[in-house]
Amino acid sequence: AQSVTQLGSHVSVSEGALVLLRCNYSSSVPPYLFWYVQYPNQGLQLLLKYTTGATLVKGINGFEAEFKKSETSFHLTKPSAHMSDAAEYFCAVSLSNQGGKLIFGQGTELSVKP
Amino acid sequence: SQTIHQWPATLVQPVGSPLSLECTVEGTSNPNLYWYRQAAGRGLQLLFYSVGIGQISSEVPQNLSASRPQDRQFILSSKKLLLSDSGFYLCAWVNPWGTEAFFGQGTRLTVV
Repeated sequence: AQSVTQLGSHVSVSEGALVLLRCNYSSSVPPYLFWYVQYPNQGLQLLLKYTTGATLVKGINGFEAEFKKSETSFHLTKPSAHMSDAAEYFCAVSLSNQGGKLIFGQGTELSVKP
Repeated sequence: SQTIHQWPATLVQPVGSPLSLECTVEGTSNPNLYWYRQAAGRGLQLLFYSVGIGQISSEVPQNLSASRPQDRQFILSSKKLLLSDSGFYLCAWVNPWGTEAFFGQGTRLTVV
């Protein structure tokens, strides 16, 4: 069965430090992968996505992610954290053989310390 | 461009009362539509999805139901709410290939 695993429900970094949020997936077909951010009491905002082509994907707010098929991973990174990055982050995989059904990981709450 | 409307934004309902959350989509036809729930401190759980009028697939057994009376309308309902139904409900449109996804702004439901 297809699934998404986000390692670490809570991640805390200092302002200016590297942000690394981990996501691993399992899929029987080539996956389409997404990262979303959710600020408190708000909906989901797309950060970036991988469908085809270049495996290093750049998104908004300085985030990027790299699709590594051999590791079944799609980790999200940002070189330097800002206080405004504090939010919940969700990794998701869509299943092209199931009409694009979108499956989410459990989410990672990112805290940024001054 | 696609737009998803969800209402209401917040809702407080007593236990045992009925529920109806509506989601409508603009800018596309024959969309694949989804209902997700986010309980406090938990991830996004897929509840229902629909690939067409009258076609509903349920992902988890529960006291909720969904209906799709029109191509661009997706409704989440309950006859009698439970405390455990509290959460943040999101409607989403995903294209058939899974390469695009759009979300509504969500409804925060509190059952008291």
